[in-house]
Amino acid sequence: GDSVTQMEGPVTLSEEAFLTINCTYTATGYPSLFWYVQYPGEGLQLLLKATKADDKGSNKGFEATYRKETTSFHLEKGSVQVSDSAVYFCALSDRRTSGSRLTFGEGTQLTVNP
Amino acid sequence: GAVVSQHPSWVICKSGTSVKIECRSLDFQATTMFWYRQFPKQSLMLMATSNEGSKATYEQGVEKDKFLINHASLTLSTLTVTSAHPEDSSFYICSARGLASSYNEQFFGPGTRLTVL
Repeated sequence: GDSVTQMEGPVTLSEEAFLTINCTYTATGYPSLFWYVQYPGEGLQLLLKATKADDKGSNKGFEATYRKETTSFHLEKGSVQVSDSAVYFCALSDRRTSGSRLTFGEGTQLTVNP
Repeated sequence: GAVVSQHPSWVICKSGTSVKIECRSLDFQATTMFWYRQFPKQSLMLMATSNEGSKATYEQGVEKDKFLINHASLTLSTLTVTSAHPEDSSFYICSARGLASSYNEQFFGPGTRLTVL
């Protein structure tokens, strides 16, 4: 079945550092890929998404490119802020094989220090 | 647009009682709602999927008699944890998906923290 693997956390960075959170996936079909962010005590918010190979999703300075050849969707940001501290989840959805259900990775805790 | 609310945001109850959690789509019609459970520092586990007007589809290992889901309207789904026990303590999150193209993805509620004493 479909699965998502994220780099293990927690990740601790200083403000203005470069961020990469790795995400790879396994899917039998042609999934859409997502990054969600969860701030402490809150639900999930969609950060960005990509629906087909080579698409780049971007939002709030974060970017991720759908790489079919490496089955990856790594999240990057050039300069993190303290307010980016949160848990980040990579996820996929393959309408053709699993309807609209989302498969989540394990989540990566990011802490940004001033 | 695409706002999903949950009520209550947190609840504390005694062991053996039942607790109802509401999930509402505020500005769109949600044909499908999803209920997740999240343990501390872990990912979201899908519990069940409900379509308006029909019975919920539960994931393997989730007791349908313990976690009652009702999706009676296009804007409301409820999760009732019956005869709650301390091991049911968790963060419950719902999401909703509509038919219109601009709502054709999952939008998440803020979550409900359940503590069973």
